[in-house]
Formats: sequence, C-alpha cells, structure tokens
Amino acid sequence: GDSVTQTKGPVTLSEGTSLTVNCSYETKQYPTLFWYVQYPGEGPQLLFKVPKANEKGSNRGFEATYDKGTTSFHLQKASVQESDSAVYYCVLGDREGGSAKLIFGEGTKLTVSS
Amino acid sequence: GGIITQTPKFLIGQEGQKLTLKCQQNFNHDTMYWYRQDSGKGLRLIYYSITENDLQKGDLSEGYDASREKKSSFSLTVTSAQKNEMAVFLCASSSTGSSAETLYFGSGTRLTVL
Repeated sequence: GDSVTQTKGPVTLSEGTSLTVNCSYETKQYPTLFWYVQYPGEGPQLLFKVPKANEKGSNRGFEATYDKGTTSFHLQKASVQESDSAVYYCVLGDREGGSAKLIFGEGTKLTVSS
Repeated sequence: GGIITQTPKFLIGQEGQKLTLKCQQNFNHDTMYWYRQDSGKGLRLIYYSITENDLQKGDLSEGYDASREKKSSFSLTVTSAQKNEMAVFLCASSSTGSSAETLYFGSGTRLTVL
C-alpha cells in the first residue's frame, strides 16, 4: 500500500541556517503531494501542495520538488527563522478503491533557536 | 474564509466512560474528517463523511462512533475510554473530498483518560 517516510525528528537549528526535511513516498498511482505545518496549540495547515510530477511548490521561503524518479518530495528552506519552529508533515493524496486517501508522514519537529 | 471549531479543547474522562467530541465548520464544505494524533505517529484517520448522514470508516475506527446529522457538524464518540489513553483528536473539512484538495483543520481536542 501507499506510504510516506520523512526525517525523524526532532531537528534543532540555529537561525539563519538551512533546512532540509527528507520525504520519500511509495505508491503505484499518481498522487498529489503536500507539506502541512503545525504550530503549537493549532491544527495542521497547508504549507503548499504539488499535484504534478516534476513541478515545484513553494510558500514562505519553503520549497519542494515532486520528483517521480526518486519518489521524493524533500522540504527545503535556505535560512530558517525562530518563527519556523513547528511540526512539518509530508502528505500523499491518492485514490484507493474509488475513495480519496491521505497518507501522513510521522511529522518532523523543528526547533529554531536565535 | 472559514473556521473549524472543536469542543471541548480539553476532555478528561474515566476508564470505560463514553465521551463525545464535537466539531463545527462554516466553510460549507461537503466532507469532514476525524483524525487521531499521537506523538511520533502522524495523523491517523478515524472516520470521515462525504455528505450529511454519510459515514465512512477510516483505519482506526474500532472503539469509535461518529455522527453527521448536519452538513456543518461532525461528532465523534469514544465508546469506552481506555485508561492511559492520551491523544489529540483533530477535525478537518474539505470541499468535496478529492485527494488533491486542501484540508482545513481545527485546533484539536486533547483527551486524557484517568
């Protein structure tokens, strides 16, 4: 079945350093890939999504490329800020048995210190 | 814009007790979801509903019931709370339930069972 594997946290970085959160997926279909972010005390919210292979998504300085060849969707940011401290989820949106199915990765907790 | 409201924010119950969590959305979305969030395990789908009075089981439905009596509301019942059960329950909605759509989440209900 479908699966998503992402960097196991927690990840701790200093402000101004670069971030990569790895995400790999397995599916036989043509999914939409998402990154969601969850700040403390809130529910997850969409960071961005990419519906097609070989396209890039971006928002707030974060970006990821939907790479069908390597089945990866790694999240990157060149320079993190303290306000980026949150849990990041890689998500695969697919169809199974005629119904939509979302597979969440386990989440990667990022803490950025000043 | 819209909002998802979950009540209560914190729920403390006794072992064996039946407990109900409520969710309201004003997006006018067709599809609503209940997810369970455990530390280090990502989000797991309990129930979802694609329209009023519809119910579909997710991967984690055992021990739970759900009810969608109105388009705007979706309730989840823990049928017999288990001791030491601690998790955050997240309600979400999306427009039609497509696998490429954005999910909008509430801020969660944190359950503790004594």
